[in-house]
Amino acid sequence: EVKLVESGGGLVQPGRSLKLSCAASGFNFNDYWMAWVRQAPGKGLEWIGEINQDSSTINYTPSLKETFTISRDNAQNILFLQTSKLGSEDTAVYYCARAHSGYIDYWGQGVMVTVSS
Amino acid sequence: DNVLPQSPTTMAASPGEKVTITCHASSSGIHMNWHQQKSGTSPKLWIYDTSKLASGVPDRFSGSGSGTSYSLTINTMETEDAATYYCQQCCSTPHMYTFGAGTKLELK
Repeated sequence: EVKLVESGGGLVQPGRSLKLSCAASGFNFNDYWMAWVRQAPGKGLEWIGEINQDSSTINYTPSLKETFTISRDNAQNILFLQTSKLGSEDTAVYYCARAHSGYIDYWGQGVMVTVSS
Repeated sequence: DNVLPQSPTTMAASPGEKVTITCHASSSGIHMNWHQQKSGTSPKLWIYDTSKLASGVPDRFSGSGSGTSYSLTINTMETEDAATYYCQQCCSTPHMYTFGAGTKLELK
């Protein structure tokens, strides 16, 4: 069974950074592109970016490229999302996802990040 | 950034009613995918490569389309189908995934 479990969320002050993790299991992590998607409260889905199997290619939504850095550890089967200075507009549920041939085939349960003083 | 237009934004359907949701793609000739999200839960892949049902999806659902116009159809609405549906497309230039604005389907 494919499982994606995010962690590292919570309440963070404006201007601070955060690093989210996603532990993957139930499939060969090394074989797949992985992605991050976020959803602000009451809003739709927003793709942040993706990383390929060996980290040689990382794509971002252009408007978020300066805010987020995606990386992975294939030895530990973990996907990361490092944020830079967060603002209130970054308050959202952050989802880890497995990407396959142009679509997301599995989603994590999501982790809430609240940016507030 | 791009958000694919979906219509309608919200709708209500009675059990047994036929439902059609449409999505307009930003690029022509690229497969469309659909995700279902119920309140308080993470999305689930529902339809991929325009017309293929994800594992476990009832066959009252179907997907179709070509060019820049795509649709998700429920042949006969059931209670459990109430959810928000998002279309999703990849990967034009720049290489990125784009989601639709979402269609909230409620039970009448």
